[in-house]
Amino acid sequence: GEDVEQSLFLSVREGDSSVINCTYTDSSSTYLYWYKQEPGAGLQLLTYIFSNMDMKQDQRLTVLLNKKDKHLSLRIADTQTGDSAIYFCAESIQGNTPLVFGKGTRLSVIA
Amino acid sequence: DSGVTQTPKHLITATGQRVTLRCSPRSGDLSVYWYQQSLDQGLQFLIQYYNGEERAKGNILERFSAQQFPDLHSELNLSSLELGDSALYFCASSVEQRNTEAFFGQGTRLTVV
Repeated sequence: GEDVEQSLFLSVREGDSSVINCTYTDSSSTYLYWYKQEPGAGLQLLTYIFSNMDMKQDQRLTVLLNKKDKHLSLRIADTQTGDSAIYFCAESIQGNTPLVFGKGTRLSVIA
Repeated sequence: DSGVTQTPKHLITATGQRVTLRCSPRSGDLSVYWYQQSLDQGLQFLIQYYNGEERAKGNILERFSAQQFPDLHSELNLSSLELGDSALYFCASSVEQRNTEAFFGQGTRLTVV
């Protein structure tokens, strides 16, 4: 079955890079997602990557995928206070199965 | 704004009662998903509808039921409520059956007292 693990907390200084890590278990063809949840708000889809890709970049966001270790990371360059939120990693087999979420990583940005 | 609308935003009710949560998907989206977010369980998938038909079922209790109407809005019915049902309930929608790009609503916060 699918299982997604994330560390619970990360604290970085404003202007530094943040790296949020995630591991997943399913070796089938998989879509992997990053969502952001700000306090009192819903989940915002940031980006997703298919498991036959190694990297995807979108402005300040870089997703790296290590298929051998089933490890996914989200790098946020030049982290700002507005990036403070909970970041969820999620997976789905070929986008056809319901999203399985990790517990979320709470990112705190210190000014 | 994701384009997914959930009502109400907050709901407080007593144990044993029944409530209905409503979701309007983004224009053109045929799939609707319901998720429950609680402190101890995290985000759990409940159920998915696609164009009016049930597509997938997750950890949904028998006391809970959902449907998707011809205009594609969806309702999640929660009955015989217990304190442990207090949670944030999210609706998400996507164009296809696949949730490659699923967009979430703001959620309904349910408090059972």
